[in-house]
Amino acid sequence: DVKVTQSSRYLVKRTGEKVFLECVQDMDHENMFWYRQDPGLGLRLIYFSYDVKMKEKGDIPEGYSVSREKKERFSLILESASTNQTSMYLCASSTNPGTGVNSGNTIYFGEGSWLTVV
Amino acid sequence: DQQVKQNSPSLSVQEGRISILNCDYTNSMFDYFLWYKKYPAEGPTFLISISSIKDKNEDGRFTVFLNKSAKHLSLHIVPSQPGDSAVYFCAASAWSGNQFYFGTGTSLTVIP
Repeated sequence: DVKVTQSSRYLVKRTGEKVFLECVQDMDHENMFWYRQDPGLGLRLIYFSYDVKMKEKGDIPEGYSVSREKKERFSLILESASTNQTSMYLCASSTNPGTGVNSGNTIYFGEGSWLTVV
Repeated sequence: DQQVKQNSPSLSVQEGRISILNCDYTNSMFDYFLWYKKYPAEGPTFLISISSIKDKNEDGRFTVFLNKSAKHLSLHIVPSQPGDSAVYFCAASAWSGNQFYFGTGTSLTVIP
């Protein structure tokens, strides 16, 4: 089974603190993602990475950065936490699609990290 | 702009009846669709998927229907059970890319 592990389930941080959220996957997946989930807004993509040291901005990258130094590990960094970053953060991974149309792939999620910024 | 939409934020169904969750998409390049189930304080778990070469896929109590011309898919749960109470997300991807696009979710409550 695919395992995506997020290092912290619950965190409470102060405004202005630097926050690191770590994620590790054990299936040698090329792609890794960070989402946040907020009520009524669904899953919003923050950043994703399709290879080591590569990153792409998602829909809401402002206030966040990421690091992917190893294939299995993808870190989300809040440089200076703010109260509007209080949320559930979800890490995920997937393989690349297979060759040809309709060779779909599946995205697998970690358990989530609840971050409260006070 | 939201490319995958779930227009019903919530749905309540009696135990034993059918639950139908709907999802619409706008991008004709999408060719693979997935449904995820999410309990509070947990990550989403994969439920069922469908490729655009099919119009139906079944897995036990769960069936997904795809209507490409209408750019619409639906998830049917029969019979519904209280343990099915969760938020359901639909997602779409295109074979040419490695991104997934999610709807905003539908919260299903199955009443015993």
